[in-house]
Amino acid sequence: IQLTQSPSFLSASVGDRVTITCRASLGISSYLAWYQQKPGKAPKLLIYVASTLQSGVPSRFSGSGSGTEFTLTINTLQPEDFATYYCQQLNIYPLTFGGGTKVEIK
Amino acid sequence: QMRLVESGGGVVQPGGSLRLSCSASGFTFSSSGMHWVRQAPGKGLEWVAFIHFDGSKQYTADSVQGRFIISRDNSKNMLNLQMNSLRVEDTALYYCAKDNGSPIYYFDSWGQGTLVTVSS
Repeated sequence: IQLTQSPSFLSASVGDRVTITCRASLGISSYLAWYQQKPGKAPKLLIYVASTLQSGVPSRFSGSGSGTEFTLTINTLQPEDFATYYCQQLNIYPLTFGGGTKVEIK
Repeated sequence: QMRLVESGGGVVQPGGSLRLSCSASGFTFSSSGMHWVRQAPGKGLEWVAFIHFDGSKQYTADSVQGRFIISRDNSKNMLNLQMNSLRVEDTALYYCAKDNGSPIYYFDSWGQGTLVTVSS
């Protein structure tokens, strides 16, 4: 199953609302997770089963979708949110990741 | 606190072999599904392999099928990745990661990675 993230690059300002889309080549129900990765660090889980916020993750992050189309929304972008975001499907092996969306400061 | 520490990376020539290890602590390793994920320099994440908590099932990505073997030793809390017939395109930072269980919903712990460089 291929995951296509868009955009691949996003320039935004602190306080902006940001939306990232992940499209699956086949339906994956809600078996989708979102991760945040900062340079030199391992990925960090943000959201799982498409819309469940991982414990400790700020509520400005939210996820939605099912089937083949999913979104990650960051409300009121904070300086620490500038990073690369990946979606991952866990419906079927081989597991796959999207190509990533890099969120940079405008 | 869950902790995963990878080791075994290094520089190897094309066609060579390398064995990566991942030492686990802070959780019940013998009850956890485990994975290897890699990231080529400046690129995105690529899932590589999975092994069931008891070692009874393994899956690998098509890109490494027949060359990489995932295994585990639950008595030592250790995950391994035997990499054979290495190619230049296998150059990457290799992470081990733990999943949440069955059904699998996410990876909830990652190591810091070990770097594998395949070069002549």
